[in-house]
Amino acid sequence: DAKTTQPPSMDCAEGRAANLPCNHSTISGNEYVYWYRQIHSQGPQYIIHGLKNNETNEMASLIITEDRKSSTLILPHATLRDTAVYYCIVRVVMNYGGSQGNLIFGKGTKLSVKP
Amino acid sequence: EAGVAQSPRYKIIEKRQSVAFWCNPISGHATLYWYQQILGQGPKLLIQFQNNGVVDDSQLPKDRFSAERLKGVDSTLKIQPAKLEDSAVYLCASSLGPDGRGESREQFFGPGTRLTVL
Repeated sequence: DAKTTQPPSMDCAEGRAANLPCNHSTISGNEYVYWYRQIHSQGPQYIIHGLKNNETNEMASLIITEDRKSSTLILPHATLRDTAVYYCIVRVVMNYGGSQGNLIFGKGTKLSVKP
Repeated sequence: EAGVAQSPRYKIIEKRQSVAFWCNPISGHATLYWYQQILGQGPKLLIQFQNNGVVDDSQLPKDRFSAERLKGVDSTLKIQPAKLEDSAVYLCASSLGPDGRGESREQFFGPGTRLTVL
């Protein structure tokens, strides 16, 4: 079972920031927080990941609380093309190619960006 | 860089028939995954290969599903015989093998094959 809890859906106005929350209260010390998104009729796409520090890349920012029990994915200026299902996943990264680091997807948050 | 290729994109069969899906991962990616995504749910891992060896097939229904990656490059997933509940999108993903520190890498997904079993 997925170890994260996300709201099933959210709306965001085009051009505004989209803040997608994720609860992972049982996260272990060796687990990272990963975000993927899946646009309709496409495979999931990696967005960003982090351990305990905030992270930023060209797609998004990831804010992880100090206790690591929750995080927020921020799309700073949402566009219509950001409409997708966003998955928050906790994952063991240092697994030497074994199975314990595999991605376990929940149902995610369906983000609808509206004009 | 070419992405993960899958074919066919769509397939409609009747129950009890057989079907096969093909995946060509990104060049150089040692790890290959097959996922099943039922409508309204997130993808579920069926099998993970490292080169041509199976790492994890604990969620693969082995009475009807089989997968192979004989030369450690492309892979096929087969269902025989299909059931109505097998209707889903079958996604293939690949990643580089673990780095020198043992850290897993980002997975890249193909567009998937949508299977409808009637």
